[in-house]
Amino acid sequence: QKEVEQDPGPLSVPEGAIVSLNCTYSNSAFQYFMWYRQYSRKGPELLMYTYSSGNKEDGRFTAQVDKSSKYISLFIRDSQPSDSATYLCAMSSFSGAGSYQLTFGKGTKLSVIP
Amino acid sequence: EAGVAQSPRYKIIEKRQSVAFWCNPISGHATLYWYQQILGQGPKLLIQFQNNGVVDDSQLPKDRFSAERLKGVDSTLKIQPAKLEDSAVYLCASSLDARMNTEAFFGQGTRLTVV
Repeated sequence: QKEVEQDPGPLSVPEGAIVSLNCTYSNSAFQYFMWYRQYSRKGPELLMYTYSSGNKEDGRFTAQVDKSSKYISLFIRDSQPSDSATYLCAMSSFSGAGSYQLTFGKGTKLSVIP
Repeated sequence: EAGVAQSPRYKIIEKRQSVAFWCNPISGHATLYWYQQILGQGPKLLIQFQNNGVVDDSQLPKDRFSAERLKGVDSTLKIQPAKLEDSAVYLCASSLDARMNTEAFFGQGTRLTVV
């Protein structure tokens, strides 16, 4: 079993739809939870970051973490064509080497159709 | 603020040839990472530097891959000899200090095709 599981999709939705992206994880040592957005032929960029169970909202984006179920979600409200990208969940833990390390999911490719 | 710079953007080589990638991190960032992203996969950490020391290289195929970060700034990643399965995007990232879980910023990547 991989440490981080993410449904790769692809996911296609009409403009204005609510999008739900999800990841599960098995490593209890993960402390911080992130969502990155990666446009085609670009590097990933940080979208949302949280460390506790619960919800965190930023504009049209809501990140949700449930540590008891080892499950994280990203919700996108009123989706726009500009949201079309690959969304990667990422989790970090403090390693034995004395620094935090990121572990990524496979990414979910999202297309928002006008 | 300038971002993470990588070159070249694209590279096509034949198997068994060698190739090198270059990365210039954001100024002042102590931590530098090299990730490999195979098509349809998430980035996989190859090596992590803290200043010019290696923090983690457990997933670096050391028989063919090598990396260095001289003077704790720029870094190069080399593959010699390349195999077909090395075809991927190689992403460089940097953060202020991974000992404090600061945000990692990524470059645009180098897309390597091995034929």
